[in-house]
Parts: sequence; C-alpha cells; structure tokens
Amino acid sequence: GAVVSQHPSRVICKSGTSVKIECRSLDFQATTMFWYRQFPKQSLMLMATSNEGSKATYEQGVEKDKFLINHASLTLSTLTVTSAHPEDSSFYICSALPWASRGTDTQYFGPGTRLTVL
Amino acid sequence: AQTVTQSQPEMSVQEAETVTLSCTYDTSESDYYLFWYKQPPSRQMILVIRQEAYKQQNATENRFSVNFQKAAKSFSLKISDSQLGDAAMYFCAYRRGTSYDKVIFGPGTSLSVIP
Repeated sequence: GAVVSQHPSRVICKSGTSVKIECRSLDFQATTMFWYRQFPKQSLMLMATSNEGSKATYEQGVEKDKFLINHASLTLSTLTVTSAHPEDSSFYICSALPWASRGTDTQYFGPGTRLTVL
Repeated sequence: AQTVTQSQPEMSVQEAETVTLSCTYDTSESDYYLFWYKQPPSRQMILVIRQEAYKQQNATENRFSVNFQKAAKSFSLKISDSQLGDAAMYFCAYRRGTSYDKVIFGPGTSLSVIP
C-alpha cells in the first residue's frame, strides 16, 4: 500500500524559533498534499492544500506567513512554523494524493508530528 | 458549506458485540464521497470504509458496514463482533466528487471496547 512518512515524529522547540516538518510520499508521486492540525481530543482541521510547483491554498483563518508550505517535488512537501509560540503546540498531520487520482481515490495519511513549543 | 456531525462523543461496546456509530452531514452537492476513518492511540489515520453517494448499495468491509441514507443525509457505521483492537477515535468524513478536493471531518466518536 501507499506509504506517507513525516519527519520528525515529535519536536520540542523554544518560543520564537522556527520548525520545519517534512511530509514524504515513499512509493508514489503526489501532486497534491494536505496539511492538517489536530488539537487534543479534537478533530482534524485542514490548514492548507499543497500543490507541487505552485503556491499552497490556505484555509480561512490560517496565517500563510506563519505556516509556510513548500511542495518542491512530487514526493515532498514541507510545513515550516515560523516564530512558533506555545499556542502552536499541536499534532500536525499530512496526507498525500497519488498523481492522476480518480474520484474514487483517497488520501494517504502520514503518522503525524507532535510539536511542543515551550 | 458542507458540515459533518457526529452526535456521540463517546461510545462503549462489549467485546464480540455490535455497535453503531452515527453520522449526519449537510451538502447541496449530488456527487460526493463519505468515509469512516479510525484513529487509534498511535494517531495514524486509517481508512475503514468508503461510500460513493451515487451507489445505493451500502459498503461493507469485513466486520464493518455502513447504513447510507442519502435522503436523510445519514451515514452510520456498524461494527460487528467488536474486538479490543477496534478501540479508537472514529471520524466520519465528507469529500466532494473530485479527489483533489478537501476532506471535511466530523468531531469524532471515541469508542471503548470492554473485555
């Protein structure tokens, strides 16, 4: 089956620093990747849709200058949390859609990254 | 806008018994997909079952089946012969017809399985 990895699995950083999270599709090419945020005991909230070679599309209320997304290749998308603050502490999950997907295809999810900002 | 509602924040079931998780959704689209995802303590999202709106037949996957009522916009998940490994958060989700569109998740139902 299709595998999506995320690195790191967990990260702790100081307030004001930037953190980069990688999302990789290991055995397929993905023109589209999605970034979600999940707070404890809550659902997944879509932050942005990342398309290879173009600018990401951000959901309403998500600061594009704070959450920088780069989808530079067909197998890698990165999310950089700039000037992180404690309220950015959350579980970040990516998903990837295989290239040339049909309507019946579904997204493949990564294992998530737990970010803790001190 | 599309919304997904799960009215049961928590459910419990005895091992080997059957449990049904409820989900309702709202959409004006005619072409869409519905999903049930499982999120165990590892936090890895796992697709349990998928239903295409244009199919009248309810989807089944081994012990998992759905009751899809399109007119009522209801999409419940039935888990038969519950196992300890079924304990997890279950999210109902909606997506428009194109696979490139975003998936909208419901708030989730936490399922406990009692040995």
